[in-house]
Amino acid sequence: GAGVSQSPSNKVTEKGKDVELRCDPISGHTALYWYRQSLGQGLEFLIYFQGNSAPDKSGLPSDRFSAERTGGSVSTLTIQRTQQEDSAVYLCASSYRDRPRGEQFFGPGTRLTVL
Amino acid sequence: GIQVEQSPPDLILQEGANSTLRCNFSDSVNNLQWFHQNPWGQLINLFYIPSGTKQNGRLSATTVATERYSLLYISSSQTTDSGVYFCAVNRNSGNTPLVFGKGTRLSVIA
Repeated sequence: GAGVSQSPSNKVTEKGKDVELRCDPISGHTALYWYRQSLGQGLEFLIYFQGNSAPDKSGLPSDRFSAERTGGSVSTLTIQRTQQEDSAVYLCASSYRDRPRGEQFFGPGTRLTVL
Repeated sequence: GIQVEQSPPDLILQEGANSTLRCNFSDSVNNLQWFHQNPWGQLINLFYIPSGTKQNGRLSATTVATERYSLLYISSSQTTDSGVYFCAVNRNSGNTPLVFGKGTRLSVIA
């Protein structure tokens, strides 16, 4: 079946603008995760959604970052008033609660460049 | 939180050589995954291996959970094996975020 998809693949924006990044998880997967990969920080967790539970936002670096997941499927990560340090690749992953328990599958990422 | 250390950080191999990549983690884990990040940035699942040994073609992995380490073996390396290999773990059961190591950058030269 189809894997995790993300859009856009690349996004260039000016400092101070808002951006929205989209993730379509694997159909039927109950959990959805956002990670960020930057040169200095490696791969770091941002936020995750598990079913209908409240999201775990503990990895969000500032209140300029937010995410929502509509209908238990598609998710949008929003970054307000972008800063140059937000430049990174934003990766989305999804997983199913059962076999294999919690194995995560990643999308191709969105490369964000803030000028 | 749990710490994940990978070694070596960089590795250069001649095509056809074998290699072993190591992942140490600081606490017991429920999930351990190995990924290959190709030159286009895509993370490709290699193994889901919280314990035991698995093999897939030229690749195999072993996790010794009681000693808190995992090994990824690459045999008869090919240039297409180049990229960054990540180990990632989580402690809790079910679906929770992964903690990644910094990766091993592998370059296979012809």
